[in-house]
Amino acid sequence: NAGVTQTPKFQVLKTGQSMTLQCAQDMNHNSMYWYRQDPGMGLRLIYYSASEGTTDKGEVPNGYNVSRLNKREFSLRLESAAPSQTSVYFCASSEWVGGAANEKLFFGSGTQLSVL
Amino acid sequence: ILNVEQSPQSLHVQEGDSTNFTCSFPSSNFYALHWYRWETAKSPEALFVMTLNGDEKKKGRISATLNTKEGYSYLYIKGSQPEDSATYLCAFRTNAGKSTFGDGTTLTVKP
Repeated sequence: NAGVTQTPKFQVLKTGQSMTLQCAQDMNHNSMYWYRQDPGMGLRLIYYSASEGTTDKGEVPNGYNVSRLNKREFSLRLESAAPSQTSVYFCASSEWVGGAANEKLFFGSGTQLSVL
Repeated sequence: ILNVEQSPQSLHVQEGDSTNFTCSFPSSNFYALHWYRWETAKSPEALFVMTLNGDEKKKGRISATLNTKEGYSYLYIKGSQPEDSATYLCAFRTNAGKSTFGDGTTLTVKP
């Protein structure tokens, strides 16, 4: 019963390097999200995908790109990492079958990223 | 950017105490209000999804109320236990599909 799977769990990058965070969900959800969490702050939305084939910017999209590869997978790419992108990244998915009252986010276990 | 505020930022209580915290959100474009529980070294897990003004939800010793007209929700924990120690997040969802999270209230329950 995997739910939402993120890889890698930990990553250290040098400034300017690029990397892709992978996320996959096996719950057949339409919507997927990428959040970042910084100390003392809540989760801030980077990008989201309401359905396969669509992506939209969240609160803090600068420096990131995303790809909704198929219904299961939603990747987050840092093209040129900066120290300000040091954070914990969470992928999430949701489905609102039956309406808003049934919709809730299911989160992956997070990726701890450090940019030196 | 939507303003979702939670208070207090942190709370320390003794085992057996009852406690409550607040989530404030915009009163316009309301679609749903979510509460999540986030234990250290784990991922956030959904507690409640609230959609209607006046909603009250309950799960064991934890309950929540919703006032969409004035833009707030309360989370109550009755008879706190050490295992209730966690950060409690609220998220305001608009009909555009985005959820904006508050910064959370971190609860520590001392035995």
